[in-house]
Order: sequence, then C-alpha cells, then structure tokens
Amino acid sequence: EDKVVQSPLSLVVHEGDTVTLNCSYEVTNFRSLLWYKQEKKAPTFLFMLTSSGIEKKSGRLSSILDKKELSSILNITATQTGDSAIYLCAVEPDYKLSFGAGTTVTVRA
Amino acid sequence: NAGVTQTPKFQVLKTGQSMTLQCAQDMNHNSMYWYRQDPGMGLRLIYYSASEGTTDKGEVPNGYNVSRLNKREFSLRLESAAPSQTSVYFCASRGDRRTGELFFGEGSRLTVL
Repeated sequence: EDKVVQSPLSLVVHEGDTVTLNCSYEVTNFRSLLWYKQEKKAPTFLFMLTSSGIEKKSGRLSSILDKKELSSILNITATQTGDSAIYLCAVEPDYKLSFGAGTTVTVRA
Repeated sequence: NAGVTQTPKFQVLKTGQSMTLQCAQDMNHNSMYWYRQDPGMGLRLIYYSASEGTTDKGEVPNGYNVSRLNKREFSLRLESAAPSQTSVYFCASRGDRRTGELFFGEGSRLTVL
C-alpha cells in the first residue's frame, strides 16, 4: 500500500523565520511528487517534482526531491502571515494521487 | 471559465439516507478524482477515474459508489449514509500528467446525523 508521511504535523513560527517541511513516501513505480497549499478552501498547486526535475523554486518557496532517500522538503524563507496554511504533499505512482496528512504552518506577526 | 464545480456545497443527512454529490469540469480533462478531508488526516482518495469509461478504488472506497457519466462529469454516491462519512468532500480533475496539477472544486461539506 502506498504511504505518504509528512512531518512535522504542525509548527508555529514568527514572521521572517525559515520553515522546512518534510515529506517521505513509499510507493511502487514512483512517477512524481506534488506540493499543495491549502488555506480556507481548496488546495492550490505549488510544485511538481519528478526524476527529471528534482528542484523547483518560486519566490520564497523552494522544494527538492531526494529519490535515494524517498523524500522531499519544502522550504519557505522570510515567512509572512500569508504563509499560514496547511501544506500537503502528494505522490503519484500512477493516475492515483495519494496525499499525506499535511503540515499546518502558523506564522505569527 | 468555471473550472471544477461541485454541488451541493452543504448537506445534512440522517443516518441511512442516500445522496449524490455532483462534479463537473469544463477543462476537457481526462482524469477526475474524489477525495474526503477530515481534520488531521489530509486528503484521502475515495475513487478516481483515469479516463472516461474507467473508475478505480482509492484508499477509502467503502460506503461509496461513483459514476463517470461522460468526460465532464464524475458523481459520488452514498447509498446509506453513516456518521463516519461526515466530512468535506473535494472533487478534482487533471488534464496533462506532465504538469501534474490537480484542479479542485470548492468542496462539499456533508454532515450525517
């Protein structure tokens, strides 16, 4: 059975801090790993990482895939209160996309 | 462009009642998904449809059925609702696996008393 584990489950930081979120997985026939941000409603897409694209960056967010360790990290630098959200990791072995439990990030002013 | 539309947005049911959650996408996507989200458990896949005419079980299919009516529509049915099915349900679709992005509906909050 596919497994996606995120850590920590939650954390609280202050504005300006750097946050590192972890996602580890056990799936057969790994194809891609995706990161999503969820605020009040539906998740919104951040990054997709594959064997041919193991590092992505967008503004203050960046992510790296470690295929050897079967894991990925999502970094957020210079955090802002608007970064407060649940961050979800999903792994795709095939058309099926399995999500982890998410990490709740709270950024205090 | 509406994207992914789910109905209803809210529903209260009594134990044993049945209902269908409707989902439609207007992006000509091949793959569609139904997830449920409970506090502290992330998104759990109920069923998915890789393409029109196919459906497959996800992680938590028990108590649910689905129909991929056509390329646009993917419905989720609860035949005999139970309190354990109280949750927020999200429908999602995806066109190109190379980009990976799932497009989500706004969610449907279901309460079973």
